[in-house]
Formats: sequence, structure tokens, C-alpha cells
Amino acid sequence: DGGITQSPKYLFRKEGQNVTLSCEQNLNHDAMYWYRQDPGQGLRLIYYSQIVNDFQKGDIAEGYSVSREKKESFPLTVTSAQKNPTAFYLCASSIVAAGNQPQHFGDGTRLSIL
Amino acid sequence: EDKVVQSPLSLVVHEGDTVTLNCSYEVTNFRSLLWYKQEKKAPTFLFMLTSSGIEKKSGRLSSILDKKELFSILNITATQTGDSAIYLCAHFNNAGNMLTFGGGTRLMVKP
Repeated sequence: DGGITQSPKYLFRKEGQNVTLSCEQNLNHDAMYWYRQDPGQGLRLIYYSQIVNDFQKGDIAEGYSVSREKKESFPLTVTSAQKNPTAFYLCASSIVAAGNQPQHFGDGTRLSIL
Repeated sequence: EDKVVQSPLSLVVHEGDTVTLNCSYEVTNFRSLLWYKQEKKAPTFLFMLTSSGIEKKSGRLSSILDKKELFSILNITATQTGDSAIYLCAHFNNAGNMLTFGGGTRLMVKP
């Protein structure tokens, strides 16, 4: 079945540690996105990528990094510079990054600080 | 600055009730407005609205857009407990490559 797979579902991080969240899609979509969701709030865009080997900062990119070496994969690294990383992280993709293409989401990764 | 505001923040109804969820927005160059339903994990896509006054419908859910007044509503008729979720509204930015989300409306449907 086509879809977006995020792993792991739950992740715990120690202070000062970098962690990487995985996002893979087999929908043949060009565009991929990372969002952060805090309790009781909507989604905020961290980074997006319109095509392989290209990515752009979203509204809250500080303390995060991404790469897009393959069309199917868009991993997100939460660095130690991110002072408040506890949140629910959602990956999404769309056919292209255009205002007439809905984004479809994975099941998310819940990150907590130990 | 692009902005999306949803109301109410939360809502509790009983099965069989009809609910209306509101979404108002500010955007420099409107492209489209989207509604999503989020249960425990992934938001699932419901509707995309691009034209004013044209209702989109899927079963008991329907949505309409008013581009003049800059708002959209999502209606759910004959609610069921399975409709309990957070409903998110979003619109695309000027370039059409980023979505701005509202804070969501948390709907609880009691048996």
C-alpha cells in the first residue's frame, strides 16, 4: 500500500543529544514537509523540500536540520540547539509543492526529553 | 502575516447533533483552504476549497468557503462518536508551497 511511514513512533532524548526522525514515502511525491505539533495547538512548519537535494526553512527551523538525498526520504534531525524539543512531529508529502495539492501525513513521532 | 483562526476551541455534543466549525483567515494571495480531521495520529485530508460559495460534501460532512468575508465553515450532521477528533483548517501561502494551520477545534461527541 502507498503511504508515508514515520519511525520511531516514540523517541526519548537526553539533554545535549541529537536525534534523527525518519520519514519515508512510496507515493512518488516530489514535495515533503516536517511539522511540529504542541499540545492543544495546530501544526507549525519546520522545513520543506520541493525536490531532491533542495530544502527550505519553514517558520520554526532553528535547532533542526534536514536532508533530501532521495525522493522517498526526508529525515529530520533535532539538534541539541533545540531547547524545547518535546512535541509531536508529523511528516507530510504532496505530489508537488503547489497551492492546489493537498498534503498527506504520516502517523507521527512523539519525542520526549528524559 | 498569514493567519488562520479557528473557533470554537472545543465543543462537546451528543450523538445526532449537528455542529458547525468555523475558520477565518488572512492571506495576501489566496490559493486554497483545506480541512483535516486528526484523531490520534495523522491528520487525514477532508476537503480543499478554492471557489467561493461552492459547497463540498462527503457523506455527513460538508464545507463552504466565503472569499469575500475570508472564512470557511465545516458542518457535520447527525454526529457520531467516531466524529470525535481535532479538526484543522489551513491555507496555502502566497507562493503556494507552505500551509499555515489554525489551532484546531477539538470536537467530542458523547453517546
